[in-house]
Amino acid sequence: GQQLNQSPQSMFIQEGEDVSMNCTSSSIFNTWLWYKQDPGEGPVLLIALYKAGELTSNGRLTAQFGITRKDSFLNISASIPSDVGIYFCAGQLAGGSEKLVFGKGTKLTVNP
Amino acid sequence: DTAVSQTPKYLVTQMGNDKSIKCEQNLGHDTMYWYKQDSKKFLKIMFSYNNKELIINETVPNRFSPKSPDKAHLNLHINSLELGDSAVYFCASSQDGRLSYTFGSGTRLTVV
Repeated sequence: GQQLNQSPQSMFIQEGEDVSMNCTSSSIFNTWLWYKQDPGEGPVLLIALYKAGELTSNGRLTAQFGITRKDSFLNISASIPSDVGIYFCAGQLAGGSEKLVFGKGTKLTVNP
Repeated sequence: DTAVSQTPKYLVTQMGNDKSIKCEQNLGHDTMYWYKQDSKKFLKIMFSYNNKELIINETVPNRFSPKSPDKAHLNLHINSLELGDSAVYFCASSQDGRLSYTFGSGTRLTVV
């Protein structure tokens, strides 16, 4: 249904490693977004994707809108300690109302 | 200047009390939202207003009543607070239907 399956739930990596996380659904989405949440703060938008197949970068971050419109991934290259946080995917369902459905988050820990 | 500001940041109150959370955005956005984040960090939409009109009302107890006096403000009033209402409540806003939300920093509500 509407649920977004985000994986992995958590990751523990060494500084300098690359990271990959993804979201999948059985439903079709018009929009995919990736957010990062630091402790005690609200989610902050990292990357927004609006077309199937779209590949967008923001510094060391790269995200893609899956060609089937049912998935998206986020890659972080050469991780640094300040990448620590919870990453959320979010999407707007095709034919759905103007709201975002959120994944359950990926908690990233980076060891220096 | 904070783009989306919520007050208070923390709210501790007893069961049965009535409380309000205020939200203001200075981005000129047309649409505002209230999301609830539970202890497992899951973000779920509660309400959405577009130009002071309610457009999304998810399955939320009617003890929760949003009010939008103008398009820059969306307040949330909660009657007869229950233990299960404890969560972090986020206000967000967006423009032109692209759903790239800007979030406030959240209000941590603790009901004791």
